[in-house]
Amino acid sequence: KQEVTQIPAALSVPEGENLVLNCSFTDSAIYNLQWFRQDPGKGLTSLLLIQSSQREQTSGRLNASLDKSSGRSTLYIAASQPGDSATYLCDDGGYSTLTFGKGTMLLVSP
Amino acid sequence: GAVVSQHPSRVICKSGTSVKIECRSLDFQATTMFWYRQFPKKSLMLMATSNEGSKATYEQGVEKDKFLINHASLTLSTLTVTSAHPEDSSFYICSARGGQRDSTDTQYFGPGTRLTVL
Repeated sequence: KQEVTQIPAALSVPEGENLVLNCSFTDSAIYNLQWFRQDPGKGLTSLLLIQSSQREQTSGRLNASLDKSSGRSTLYIAASQPGDSATYLCDDGGYSTLTFGKGTMLLVSP
Repeated sequence: GAVVSQHPSRVICKSGTSVKIECRSLDFQATTMFWYRQFPKKSLMLMATSNEGSKATYEQGVEKDKFLINHASLTLSTLTVTSAHPEDSSFYICSARGGQRDSTDTQYFGPGTRLTVL
């Protein structure tokens, strides 16, 4: 059974720092991996989608990479801002359903 | 991207009542819909998978008589929490996917429904 681990569980940084969030999977059969953002009490917002044939995707200050051979994905946030404070979730892009990690709670202080 | 809506966004009910949550795909045909539950400070937990016109497939530990799922059309799935109790209070999120069954197409998520049972 797929297990998704996200490290770190929580991260607090000052504004302007670059940071990396990590996601690892026990089963490397990954299809369309997504990174999400969740604000308190809100649903999920999809940030980046890496399709099975791709290795990375970029959107603005965000860059996500996928290494299927090692079962790892990273989300890089450049020049962090207080508005980036949220919980970030990754999923395993499973064949028919998704397994989520527990998320990384990010706090960016002004 | 595709849009998935949920209604209501927030509901408060008394213990023992039933609550229906709707999940709609607004601009595509959702052959498969998924229902997730999220406990505070926990990750999403898949409750069930429903394919249009078929009975839902429930994950282990999820009571199918407690959480009734109907996916009668390609744009609408409903989750009914029957005889709700305070322990059912949670954040419920649906997602929808088009294409063929068991497709690897992207899932699109609804905004979620916050259920509070008093």
